[in-house]
Amino acid sequence: KAGVTQTPRYLIKTRGQQVTLSCSPISGHRSVSWYQQTPGQGLQFLFEYFSETQRNKGNFPGRFSGRQFSNSRSEMNVSTLELGDSALYLCASSPSVGSTDTQYFGPGTRLTVL
Amino acid sequence: AQSVTQLDSQVPVFEEAPVELRCNYSSSVSVYLFWYVQYPNQGLQLLLKYLSGSTLVKGINGFEAEFNKSQTSFHLRKPSVHISDTAEYFCAVIAGGTSYGKLTFGQGTILTVHP
Repeated sequence: KAGVTQTPRYLIKTRGQQVTLSCSPISGHRSVSWYQQTPGQGLQFLFEYFSETQRNKGNFPGRFSGRQFSNSRSEMNVSTLELGDSALYLCASSPSVGSTDTQYFGPGTRLTVL
Repeated sequence: AQSVTQLDSQVPVFEEAPVELRCNYSSSVSVYLFWYVQYPNQGLQLLLKYLSGSTLVKGINGFEAEFNKSQTSFHLRKPSVHISDTAEYFCAVIAGGTSYGKLTFGQGTILTVHP
């Protein structure tokens, strides 16, 4: 079974631009979560989607948004990029919602903001 | 809310030596515990998880961890490491009994195995 895929793998943007990252979960998985990884703040939860509904949101400004489609694929968008948004963005999928489900991570999208 | 503290940011060891990576957590509710590994330029891979039952959990690649509720710890161990174990290791918790999948991670421990 194919793993979680994320596109693109690398992205360079300038301040003020917006960006959209894509995540395709493992086939059959219906829950998708997003995390931001930076050297200073570590791994931080962004949001979680299940059945096209955002079920949980981390402590990030409104510039960060996401959505999930009927085929469980998910996108996250960051508007008005800031230098501090440079990070590795990781997507994880799990079969359903619930704290016992294992989250399977993709390779991430590395975003650099200049 | 939950928090996780990984007590060592870097752990250097020689090949075939044993290793322990330490993790303590804080939570006002019951939690489930996880260890993930991240190799360079890759995502996270689950090593093992504790949900309930036996406090000694065995995972992939010869790793194991022991849940200690009284000390709120979940230390990761391997009796004999290989060069290929060089990576960053993350301890994570999730609030038990919820339908939310929000993982809270520690800051990571970089394990470097020397020949």
